[in-house]
This record gives sequence, structure tokens and C-alpha cells, in this order.
Amino acid sequence: AQSVTQLGSHVSVSEGALVLLRCNYSSSVPPYLFWYVQYPNQGLQLLLKYTSAATLVKGINGFEAEFKKSETSFHLTKPSAHMSDAAEYFCAVSNYNQGGKLIFGQGTELSVKP
Amino acid sequence: NAGVTQTPKFQVLKTGQSMTLQCAQDMNHNSMYWYRQDPGMGLRLIYYSASEGTTDKGEVPNGYNVSRLNKREFSLRLESAAPSQTSVYFCASTPVGRSTEAFFGQGTRLTVV
Repeated sequence: AQSVTQLGSHVSVSEGALVLLRCNYSSSVPPYLFWYVQYPNQGLQLLLKYTSAATLVKGINGFEAEFKKSETSFHLTKPSAHMSDAAEYFCAVSNYNQGGKLIFGQGTELSVKP
Repeated sequence: NAGVTQTPKFQVLKTGQSMTLQCAQDMNHNSMYWYRQDPGMGLRLIYYSASEGTTDKGEVPNGYNVSRLNKREFSLRLESAAPSQTSVYFCASTPVGRSTEAFFGQGTRLTVV
């Protein structure tokens, strides 16, 4: 069975600091991996996705993630945090025989201090 | 382009009452989904519809029913609401394809008292 674990339910960084949100997955077949962002009282918006092409994936708003098969990880990074990055971030996994069904991690709330 | 539209946005129910959450998408997507979001648990799949005319259970289907009315609309029904169904409900849709992203509605915040 597939699963996703996000390490740290809350992460706090200073404005301008590196953002690192951790995601580890479990999948018996090559996965598709996604990062979504949720701003307060809104739906989820796709940040980026990995679909077995390049292992380093660039997304919107300066975020990127690297797929590491040996570590079963797909961590999200941004070199310099901005106040507008404060939101909840979700890592999700699916695979080719699951259609669009997603399995989500628990979510990580990112706070950005001025 | 409205994307995925959910109604209502907020609802308070008494235990035992019933209600239907509505979802419509205007992107001509084949597949539609209902998720619930609870603190510390991420989003969990309730039901999905891979294509018009088909529905299947997800991870947490108990207490819910769904109807895929047509290609655009996918509704979620709570027949007898319970406090454990207090949650934020999201509808999503995906086009045909193996790795396509899901598009989400704005959510329905439901409180059962």
C-alpha cells in the first residue's frame, strides 16, 4: 500500500531563510509525486509534480523538489522564504494504475517570521 | 473559467440531519473525487468517479453516498449526519491521463452539532 509521511507538522523560518519541507513516500511501483499548497480558507493549488522525467522538479513561486528513489524522498525547498509563502503544504502520491486518486501526507504548516 | 465549484461553502447541521454537497466542474474532466480534510490527517478520499456512470469507494466511505449526475456534476450526500463528519470537504477533478494534476474546489466547511 502507498503512504506518505511529512516530517514536522509545523515549520517556522525567518524571511529570506531556506525553506525545507520533508516528504517520504512508500510505493511498490514507480510513483507520481505532488506538492500542493493551501492558503487559509482556500482549496489546494499544485506547486509541482514528479512524473518520472527529471528528478529535480521546478514549480511555481520559486519552489523545487528533488526525487530521490534511494531515500524514497521528495523534499520541497525554496532558497529564500517570503512572507507570502506562509501556508499549509501537502505532499501526495499516486501511481499509474490508480488514476488520479491521491494519498496525502499529514500536511506541514509553514510560518514565516519577519 | 470557474474550474471546480462547490456549494455550499459553510453549513451547520444537527446530528441526524441529512444534506447534499454539490460539486460541478467546467473543464470537461472525466474523473471526480470527494476528499475530507481533518487536522493532522491531511486529505482522505471518500468516494471517486473515474468516469460518468461509475463510482467507487475510497478510504473513508462510511456514512456517505455519492451520485455522478453527469460528466460535470458529482454530489456527496450525508444521510444522517454525525459529529464525526465535522470536517472540510473538497471536491476535485482530473482529466484523462496517468500523471495529471487534480484541480480542487474551494471546500465546504461542515459542522455537525
